[in-house]
Amino acid sequence: GESVGLHLPTLSVQEGDNSIINCAYSNSASDYFIWYKQESGKGPQFIIDIRSNMDKRQGQRVTVLLNKTVKHLSLQIAATQPGDSAVYFCAENISGANSKLTFGKGITLSVRP
Amino acid sequence: DAGITQSPRHKVTETGTPVTLRCHQTENHRYMYWYRQDPGHGLRLIHYSYGVKDTDKGEVSDGYSVSRSKTEDFLLTLESATSSQTSVYFCAISGETGQRTYFGPGTRLTVT
Repeated sequence: GESVGLHLPTLSVQEGDNSIINCAYSNSASDYFIWYKQESGKGPQFIIDIRSNMDKRQGQRVTVLLNKTVKHLSLQIAATQPGDSAVYFCAENISGANSKLTFGKGITLSVRP
Repeated sequence: DAGITQSPRHKVTETGTPVTLRCHQTENHRYMYWYRQDPGHGLRLIHYSYGVKDTDKGEVSDGYSVSRSKTEDFLLTLESATSSQTSVYFCAISGETGQRTYFGPGTRLTVT
């Protein structure tokens, strides 16, 4: 599998509990954010996105919260399952011509059975 | 993987040899990207394309070139591979620049 999880912080949660994964983004002008999940040996998988005109967005079993005041993004996973074990990272962007996503390094989520 | 394939999935090559990685999409997205992923780093953009024959450099473009002759195909070439280019390479696509972006399964390249 991939070694991208090396040296990353790890969050360990009990199966069935809720997980909260945090991301501090760097640019106060960023107005678009994405959360990705990356399982070992696979490419990053889009989970959910949010624009800066929103504080909260919900998906299936996931919620993203955005606090622009402190430049903080969080991903909440309800009823965490073993299949949620992966590296999670956020990406930010300032929308506009030729804009590009900037990716964080990620956090490893480990689910205890 | 949102209709994105990469080939080869694994490759071992020797220093100094040329290498070409291929990305193919079936989503008809305008934007295509090549990233590399290394331990201790986030995804880093190598090159991107905003249309057929329209490409530009990313933050780590030295030693790499790209070509896009069709909407669906984006090629990454290492003209003369070096050990520092040992990495996992991901192709990505998006309908709008810097917006919802989908990744391929990756190519693990080892340069010996």
